Amino acid sequence: DGGITQSPKYLFRKEGQNVTLSCEQNLNHDAMYWYRQDPGQGLRLIYYSQIVNDFQKGDIAEGYSVSREKKESFPLTVTSAQKNPTAFYLCASSIDRAGTRGLYNEQFFGPGTRLTVL
Amino acid sequence: AQKITQTQPGMFVQEKEAVTLDCTYDTSDQSYGLFWYKQPSSGEMIFLIYQGSYDEQNATEGRYSLNFQKARKSANLVISASQLGDSAMYFCAMREPQSGSARQLTFGSGTQLTVLP
Repeated sequence: DGGITQSPKYLFRKEGQNVTLSCEQNLNHDAMYWYRQDPGQGLRLIYYSQIVNDFQKGDIAEGYSVSREKKESFPLTVTSAQKNPTAFYLCASSIDRAGTRGLYNEQFFGPGTRLTVL
Repeated sequence: AQKITQTQPGMFVQEKEAVTLDCTYDTSDQSYGLFWYKQPSSGEMIFLIYQGSYDEQNATEGRYSLNFQKARKSANLVISASQLGDSAMYFCAMREPQSGSARQLTFGSGTQLTVLP
């Protein structure tokens, strides 16, 4: 079955430690994204990548870093510079689809990782 | 200024009735896309429906329809015949014009829908 996997589902870290969240997709999508969601709020874009070895900052990139060495993988590192890292993190990938009324881009989301920094 | 505004933090609807979730957006672009996603308590985001800015007809997908009023910059989601499983958070999102294969989405703050038995 094709899809996006994120592991682990729950992650606990001590303050001051870097932590890396994994995201793997076997959908053969070129583009991948990382979003952050805080309680009662919508998703905010952290980083995105259109192709391997290329990525761009989103709206809230400070304190985060990413890499895109393989098409299937887009790991996110939450560094100690991120002042409020406790949040729900969602990874997505996207593909252009031909709908009944033309092309549109659909994003597929992983199950998310809930990070708690103690 | 917010690009996507969802003014209803919470909504209640009786099972089998229809419900409308509001969404207004702000953009100066002529070409854009509007999306609705559902997020159950488990956290995953489920794509529901898409409307392109040049689409003259309202999008429909099963029990979901999008009431697109371009002049008012609104893209309300209508769920017909509500079911208990429809209880979830609903997000409206807008796609920014972008070259290449990436399409950035800007999300609203969401509406928590509760379907009552």
